[in-house]
Amino acid sequence: KQEVTQIPAALSVPEGENLVLNCSFTDSAIYNLQWFRQDPGKGLTSLLLIQSSQREQTSGRLNASLDKSSGRSTLYIAASQPGDSATYLCAVGDSGTYKYIFGTGTRLKVLA
Amino acid sequence: DAGVIQSPRHEVTEMGQEVTLRCKPISGHNSLFWYRQTMMRGLELLIYFNNNVPIDDSGMPEDRFSAKMPNASFSTLKIQPSEPRDSAVYFCASTITGSAYEQYFGPGTRLTVT
Repeated sequence: KQEVTQIPAALSVPEGENLVLNCSFTDSAIYNLQWFRQDPGKGLTSLLLIQSSQREQTSGRLNASLDKSSGRSTLYIAASQPGDSATYLCAVGDSGTYKYIFGTGTRLKVLA
Repeated sequence: DAGVIQSPRHEVTEMGQEVTLRCKPISGHNSLFWYRQTMMRGLELLIYFNNNVPIDDSGMPEDRFSAKMPNASFSTLKIQPSEPRDSAVYFCASTITGSAYEQYFGPGTRLTVT
């Protein structure tokens, strides 16, 4: 059974810092991996999607990498801003069932 | 495109009442997912449909929960009878199978059962 873990659970950093959020999964047979952002009381916004054949994806200040063999993905945020404060969730798409398993998220606070 | 649409956005009901949540997926998407989010359990997949057919409902907590997708543009999640432990935010998401399979989420329905 696929399990997805995100570390750390919470993170507080000063504005301008570069930071890394981690996501690990137990079964490497994945279809893709998607990173989301969730603001308090809101829905999930897709940030980046990495297909199983890809190693990384970039969008603006965000870069996500995928290492299937080790069951890990990282989300790199460059030059963090207070507006980046949110919960970041990773979701792993199972290659057999196409079901998505979500991690419990990393709650990020960027201090001005 | 309007994105995934869910209604109502908020629902407060008394224990024992029937609750119906609604979802309209993005036009052209052929897979639809219902999730439940709570502080204790995080985001859980309840059921998903492909081409209007339920594929996996193993996440539905019990028989009080049921879901339907009568056509490609509409789905419902029904709870009957509702209980206080059903209080959560319920999300609907849609995607296109055979593509990159990127999920798009609706804004959610916050359900409170008193």
